Amino acid sequence: GAVVSQHPSWVICKSGTSVKIECRSLDFQATTMFWYRQFPKQSLMLMATSNEGSKATYEQGVEKDKFLINHASLTLSTLTVTSAHPEDSSFYICSAPPGVGETQYFGPGTRLLVL
Amino acid sequence: AQKITQTQPGMFVQEKEAVTLDCTYDTSDQSYGLFWYKQPSSGEMIFLIYQGSYDEQNATEGRYSLNFQKARKSANLVISASQLGDSAMYFCAMRDMEYGNKLVFGAGTILRVKS
Repeated sequence: GAVVSQHPSWVICKSGTSVKIECRSLDFQATTMFWYRQFPKQSLMLMATSNEGSKATYEQGVEKDKFLINHASLTLSTLTVTSAHPEDSSFYICSAPPGVGETQYFGPGTRLLVL
Repeated sequence: AQKITQTQPGMFVQEKEAVTLDCTYDTSDQSYGLFWYKQPSSGEMIFLIYQGSYDEQNATEGRYSLNFQKARKSANLVISASQLGDSAMYFCAMRDMEYGNKLVFGAGTILRVKS
């Protein structure tokens, strides 16, 4: 299957700082990538759809100014958690399909802990 | 709106036996896709199997098979000859055709394989 990487795999930061998470498709180009958030023992919650060359589409209830998404190229999308607070601590995971209508492949995820 | 229901929060299975994980879905779309993903404790999401709504044959991938009953709107995952490494969280998901490649996930089922 297609390979998606994520960096960093885990990060600890102080409250009030910003954290950037990268999602890369390694062996295919992705015009669309997806960002999810997952709390322990819960399902994945879609936060936003990252679109190359245009603005991200955010799900209802997700703060656009809090979670900045930039789809810089056909292989890279970034999620920046701005002014992070302890309640932002979570597992963030991205996914990308190699093409429209194709299976989504997931990155390994990023564990964020805000102190 | 599409919805995925996984009614089994947790399941136990004896090593080498088969196990069925339940998944029902609700959609008004005629064209849709159903997926199963495995999430071990490391957090990565591993794609297991896919079933298209127009596929007449049940999907199979090695020890995984999908028991697709369209009239009942169910897409159960069958794992044959369970192995200790199968212990993980399993998610059923549906692709939202109306909104591109967005996936809607069920709550998940934790599977524990006993030796």
